[in-house]
Amino acid sequence: AQSVTQPDIHITVSEGASLELRCNYSYGATPYLFWYVQSPGQGLQLLLKYFSGDTLVQGIKGFEAEFKRSQSSFNLRKPSVHWSDAAEYFCAVGALRNTDKLIFGTGTRLQVFP
Amino acid sequence: DTAVSQTPKYLVTQMGNDKSIKCEQNLGHDTMYWYKQDSKKFLKIMFSYNNKELIINETVPNRFSPKSPDKAHLNLHINSLELGDSAVYFCASSLRGEETQYFGPGTRLLVL
Repeated sequence: AQSVTQPDIHITVSEGASLELRCNYSYGATPYLFWYVQSPGQGLQLLLKYFSGDTLVQGIKGFEAEFKRSQSSFNLRKPSVHWSDAAEYFCAVGALRNTDKLIFGTGTRLQVFP
Repeated sequence: DTAVSQTPKYLVTQMGNDKSIKCEQNLGHDTMYWYKQDSKKFLKIMFSYNNKELIINETVPNRFSPKSPDKAHLNLHINSLELGDSAVYFCASSLRGEETQYFGPGTRLLVL
């Protein structure tokens, strides 16, 4: 069965520091992978997605993620965090050619200190 | 130019009541979804409709009844509300073959 694990429930970084949010997935075939961000009281916004091709994908707001098949990981990175990045981040996996059903991780809450 | 919209944004009601949440998308998508986000922020799919036909029903109590009058709308009706129904309900939409789901702002339901 598909599953997504986000090992870090809560991460705190200083503004300007680099960031890496971890995501591991379990799926028997090539998955579709997504990162969404949820700001307080808001809906989910798509940051980036991986379907195939280049394993390093660029997203909005300066975020990038790298798909590593050997590690079943899709970690999200940003070189320099801004205070406005404080939010909840969700990794999700969808089945190849059938993303009718997205499986979400439990989320990582990012706190940014000035 | 809202893409996926939901009404109401907040809903506070008593146990036992019946309530509806509405969702509309103007993206021309053919697939719509309802997700439930619990108090621990865990997101889980409830239903999915493609071209007004139900394609996913994830073991949701039959007190929850989705209705899709057309491809652009997916409403969620909840009968006999229980305390455990308190959550944030998100609507989403996508176009089959493009695989990316776009989410609405959520409806925060509180059952007292």
